[in-house]
Amino acid sequence: EIVLTQSPATLSLSPGERATLSCRASQSVTSFLAWYQQKPGQAPRLLIYDASNRATGIPARFSGSGSGTDFTLTISSLEPEDFAVYYCQQRSNWPWTFGQGTKVEIK
Amino acid sequence: EVQLVESGGGLVQPGGSLRLSCAGSGFTFSSYWMSWVRQAPGKGLEWVANIKQDGSEKYYVDSVKGRFTISRDNAKNSLYLQMNSLRVEDTAVYYCARAGGGSGSLDYWGQGTLVTVSS
Repeated sequence: EIVLTQSPATLSLSPGERATLSCRASQSVTSFLAWYQQKPGQAPRLLIYDASNRATGIPARFSGSGSGTDFTLTISSLEPEDFAVYYCQQRSNWPWTFGQGTKVEIK
Repeated sequence: EVQLVESGGGLVQPGGSLRLSCAGSGFTFSSYWMSWVRQAPGKGLEWVANIKQDGSEKYYVDSVKGRFTISRDNAKNSLYLQMNSLRVEDTAVYYCARAGGGSGSLDYWGQGTLVTVSS
């Protein structure tokens, strides 16, 4: 099983600041990595697929990069609605796995 | 508009069974892999199972193998999860999700249905 480790667990930032979230895989997932956003009481929403492709309707301030074992989700300038929990997920190998999540909170 | 609506959750005793359903609309259901993902209270996301478009391939997380069965009825645009021998640790919100087009990532999700396993 591929283990995804996200860091940091919590990121405390102010609106307008840049957020950088990390996801590290225990073995290569090539580019088969996605990022999701989840707000309290809501289902997750796909942000980025295949490491760097924005999903439909996702604002340009969200970007993804990386390949192999190291991946980054960047939010260039935090909007109030971006404070949420973010998960990475790999679909390279069965079983699919998620990271444990990074909470982006208001400082 | 793509919609996924889960149903069938509820309270069940340990060792019991439950069948979850997910109704899809607004897309060609038979053209997509489908998934179940769960989230225990206050915890992160856990992928549970996937099923291929025609039902010929199914994959499960180890913790549910032999107890849960994923299936689909493309004529009814529906996805199912039969859960047997339920354990307290299966308590979670269960989401169905579509594995979208070329990417295979989970591009649409239902609102979830809560399964509580407790005596």
